[in-house]
Amino acid sequence: LAKTTQPISMDSYEGQEVNITCSHNNIATNDYITWYQQFPSQGPRFIIQGYKTKVTNEVASLFIPADRKSSTLSLPRVSLSDTAVYYCLVGGLLMAGKLIFGQGTELSVKP
Amino acid sequence: EAGVAQSPRYKIIEKRQSVAFWCNPISGHATLYWYQQILGQGPKLLIQFQNNGVVDDSQLPKDRFSAERLKGVDSTLKIQPAKLEDSAVYLCASSSRRPGAVGNEQFFGPGTRLTVL
Repeated sequence: LAKTTQPISMDSYEGQEVNITCSHNNIATNDYITWYQQFPSQGPRFIIQGYKTKVTNEVASLFIPADRKSSTLSLPRVSLSDTAVYYCLVGGLLMAGKLIFGQGTELSVKP
Repeated sequence: EAGVAQSPRYKIIEKRQSVAFWCNPISGHATLYWYQQILGQGPKLLIQFQNNGVVDDSQLPKDRFSAERLKGVDSTLKIQPAKLEDSAVYLCASSSRRPGAVGNEQFFGPGTRLTVL
């Protein structure tokens, strides 16, 4: 299973764009990249998933370069409510649905 | 659509006692997961069910932990006897796609916070 590395913490201010980068040098051909968000006292929540290039939904964008050895979660114009822990996960068909969570990135948004 | 329900939300027990957690997944979700999340760490998968069969329990401490999913719907996770290091949040999640399918989004419940004294 591919191991992921992401910053332990990040600080930002309201209205800024936040980019969280995750390294996954050993990603396999079948692996997808998925990001989850977790607020205190809640379970993780799916944000976005991608395989290559760029994926965008109503809350975030995911940028994946051609070599797929890293990915960047982009949160546009963050607000205080985006303060949470963000997890990058890598896996695919061979994982049989298993999610391997790392330590995550604790994002703190300040006014 | 109702989310994943878990109870109780909080539980405090003394070591060597037993405890049970209950999970009701989203209606129609065939796959159910139990995770353990220790403070400051990401969730760790304990066991995964597909309907009422176990798909993966490789990280379940089977000498003290047990889980069942009768009739392929609700599930219970039990710890007997509890140890101090079992203090954690126990999360239940469910998904509607078969394990391994692309886009296997998991929906998590609020968790049960267990404190073992």
